Amino acid sequence: GNSVTQMEGPVTLSEEAFLTINCTYTATGYPSLFWYVQYPGEGLQLLLKATKADDKGSNKGFEATYRKETTSFHLEKGSVQVSDSAVYFCALRPMNRDDKIIFGKGTRLHILP
Amino acid sequence: DAGVTQSPTHLIKTRGQHVTLRCSPISGHKSVSWYQQVLGQGPQFIFQYYEKEERGRGNFPDRFSARQFPNYSSELNVNALLLGDSALYLCASSGGSFGQPQHFGDGTRLSIL
Repeated sequence: GNSVTQMEGPVTLSEEAFLTINCTYTATGYPSLFWYVQYPGEGLQLLLKATKADDKGSNKGFEATYRKETTSFHLEKGSVQVSDSAVYFCALRPMNRDDKIIFGKGTRLHILP
Repeated sequence: DAGVTQSPTHLIKTRGQHVTLRCSPISGHKSVSWYQQVLGQGPQFIFQYYEKEERGRGNFPDRFSARQFPNYSSELNVNALLLGDSALYLCASSGGSFGQPQHFGDGTRLSIL
């Protein structure tokens, strides 16, 4: 079946540090891949997406590359800010399905000033 | 433009009761999806409706039901509430064409006593 596995949190970094949150997936064919962010007390916001192999999604300094050979979609940012503190969810939409999105369990990120 | 709006924001119920949650999609969006997010977990897909028809259903019991109205707003109903139904219920809307991203509301926090 389809599933997403992402690294356990919480992840605590100092401001301006380099961020990597690992994400791997299991799916048939070529799913669409997403990163969503959830700030305290809010819903989910789409951070970035990639729809085919080797695509790089990017937004607000974050980026992730769709790696079919390693079934991965790791999130990276070169220099994090305190305002990046949130929960990050890796997710996939199965190939040829437009109804559901399958989410990982989320990784809580704390950025210290 | 208004985003996805959900009501109420918080709700407290007791076991055995029923509850109705409401969602208004982004203007022009014809598809509405519902997700359940238990504390510390990623959202789980419950339903998707498009043009008032159920397009997809997740692995939830028949106590969960939903419908979509001609104005594309939607209701999620849960009967015979259990303690385990305590969660954040998220609504997402999209244009309905294949591949369009889902936009999430801030959710309804349901607590079962």
